[in-house]
Amino acid sequence: GAVVSQHPSWVICKSGTSVKIECRSLDFQATTMFWYRQFPKQSLMLMATSNEGSKATYEQGVEKDKFLINHASLTLSTLTVTSAHPEDSSFYICSASSGQGRYEQYFGPGTRLTVT
Amino acid sequence: GESVGLHLPTLSVQEGDNSIINCAYSNSASDYFIWYKQESGKGPQFIIDIRSNMDKRQGQRVTVLLNKTVKHLSLQIAATQPGDSAVYFCAENIGGTYKYIFGTGTRLKVLA
Repeated sequence: GAVVSQHPSWVICKSGTSVKIECRSLDFQATTMFWYRQFPKQSLMLMATSNEGSKATYEQGVEKDKFLINHASLTLSTLTVTSAHPEDSSFYICSASSGQGRYEQYFGPGTRLTVT
Repeated sequence: GESVGLHLPTLSVQEGDNSIINCAYSNSASDYFIWYKQESGKGPQFIIDIRSNMDKRQGQRVTVLLNKTVKHLSLQIAATQPGDSAVYFCAENIGGTYKYIFGTGTRLKVLA
């Protein structure tokens, strides 16, 4: 149990376009989802926390207008990278929590974004 | 705060030897810690966790040690195998929140 999927697993887009990444909890309801970004050979950096039905909370330095997060249902959160630039190329990873205990958090497999 | 690094430190060990991976955490309010394993191109996988009211916890071939005095965490892997090759991250959970802050990570290379 506790499986989190992401789609797509990788995407290449042109500079200036927008890209949407989906994060789904497959066998549980996720009241809270997290979005992380990971540059090559670096650690995971938390970008934002999203709770179902409310606005996401962004970490300091993360542009909310550039990284749009929607958590419209208890099984789906989306991250849209708007007007993507090459410096946005990264590995984006989501995680999900059912909210029953703050300790458990299940990670998705990640999405590799390359902006050309 | 969040940790950023330009490169990952690497630990190379012979197959069958024990591995010790270290992590310094930043926030004295953190009361729960997790070790994750991340293989190339994949998301983090849970290995073992420990709460701040403990100083040691053992799993299958893995042991986590917590020293709150110096804010230090270590992961010991017994009889390291080629399948253990990966990047290992510690993550700290700040009490009262759902947020996890990840450490810089260590690449473990198992030599045959």
